[in-house]
Amino acid sequence: EAGVVQSPRYKIIEKKQPVAFWCNPISGHNTLYWYLQNLGQGPELLIRYENEEAVDDSQLPKDRFSAERLKGVDSTLKIQPAELGDSAVYLCASSSHGTSPYEQYFGPGTRLTVT
Amino acid sequence: QQQVKQSPQSLIVQKGGIPIINCAYENTAFDYFPWYQQFPGKGPALLIAIRPDVSEKKEGRFTISFNKSAKQFSLHIMDSQPGDSATYFCAASIIPGSARQLTFGSGTQLTVLP
Repeated sequence: EAGVVQSPRYKIIEKKQPVAFWCNPISGHNTLYWYLQNLGQGPELLIRYENEEAVDDSQLPKDRFSAERLKGVDSTLKIQPAELGDSAVYLCASSSHGTSPYEQYFGPGTRLTVT
Repeated sequence: QQQVKQSPQSLIVQKGGIPIINCAYENTAFDYFPWYQQFPGKGPALLIAIRPDVSEKKEGRFTISFNKSAKQFSLHIMDSQPGDSATYFCAASIIPGSARQLTFGSGTQLTVLP
């Protein structure tokens, strides 16, 4: 079974530029999560999707961050414009309603550096 | 109330030693306590998990001890190996709706010396 795929793995951009991250979850997983992981910290949830619906986006900074999950499969997380403080690893995870207790499987993440 | 506090921040042991990582929580609604292992450049991977109705769970060399009254839980790694060198995160979880919501600790960087 293929794991969660994320791309790109690394991204370096200048501040004020836009950036997008892509995630392909494990096949059949209904739930998709985007997390932010700052250096030396645990992941923090940004947004959770159930199929194509964003059911928890309370921690997503909506002034500059947006996300979508078309057709309930792949997802894209966008930042526009990026700020220096956005430098972090962005992790995608997925889980299945059929798996008890809904374990989350993480991708390798995208390391973003904003200069 | 959603916070999970983890200690120590870093830990160095000799091969064969038993590193212990501790976590504490406040929210009594948490009903599931997983530990994740993360290697550099990789995402966190589930290592072992425990429910609050059990005081201890062992899987291979990894053991979780859980103290419900104290709202604390810990990870013990028996006969630690250099390959165990990684960052370990505790987490606590509830189920809002149909999926788990994980709250992570801040992580412990473990180094096992050969």
